[in-house]
Amino acid sequence: QKEVEQNSGPLSVPEGAIASLNCTYSDRGSQSFFWYRQYSGKSPELIMFIYSNGDKEDGRFTAQLNKASQYVSLLIRDSQPSDSATYLCAVRRFQGAQKLVFGQGTRLTINP
Amino acid sequence: GAVVSQHPSRVICKSGTSVKIECRSLDFQATTMFWYRQFPKQSLMLMATSNEGSKATYEQGVEKDKFLINHASLTLSTLTVTSAHPEDSSFYICSAPSGTGSSYEQYFGPGTRLTVT
Repeated sequence: QKEVEQNSGPLSVPEGAIASLNCTYSDRGSQSFFWYRQYSGKSPELIMFIYSNGDKEDGRFTAQLNKASQYVSLLIRDSQPSDSATYLCAVRRFQGAQKLVFGQGTRLTINP
Repeated sequence: GAVVSQHPSRVICKSGTSVKIECRSLDFQATTMFWYRQFPKQSLMLMATSNEGSKATYEQGVEKDKFLINHASLTLSTLTVTSAHPEDSSFYICSAPSGTGSSYEQYFGPGTRLTVT
């Protein structure tokens, strides 16, 4: 079992709809969770992070964390074609850890 | 967010030569930096952890003598690909963590695209 798992996609969503990206992790003690966006040919860009159970909203983005289910998700409301990218989920396993463990990424396409 | 720069952004070199890539944290100090490699349409692969003032920690399967890492200051880490070959052609990306505890974040540089001919 991989430490961080994502559905590789591609995930196709119509413009204006809600895109839902999911990630599961195996280490129950994991502390912090990060979502990165990576456009083709570019490096990853941090979108948001979450470390408490529940929802965290930032503009059109909402991160959801359920530690009991070892599940973290990213919702993108009012999806735009510019949201088309690969989304990477990353986990910080413990408080002092410097290294993040990345999932393989989900490729998202927003169809106009 | 914090800013991490990389130089060069793109490099083409001949087989057998060495290439140095620089990674700088511009507005914060980073005692640790990370070097990743990414092949087309594949996920990020962590190569090594660069530690200021001490030896780098390499991931399993990464040749330390081929990928030399130096973290000479709190804002600069360098990756040297020695005796590069076409199979080393890839997108090399560094990252640096900022903050601690619940304010911990990790930022990526823009990447360096290496082509070995």
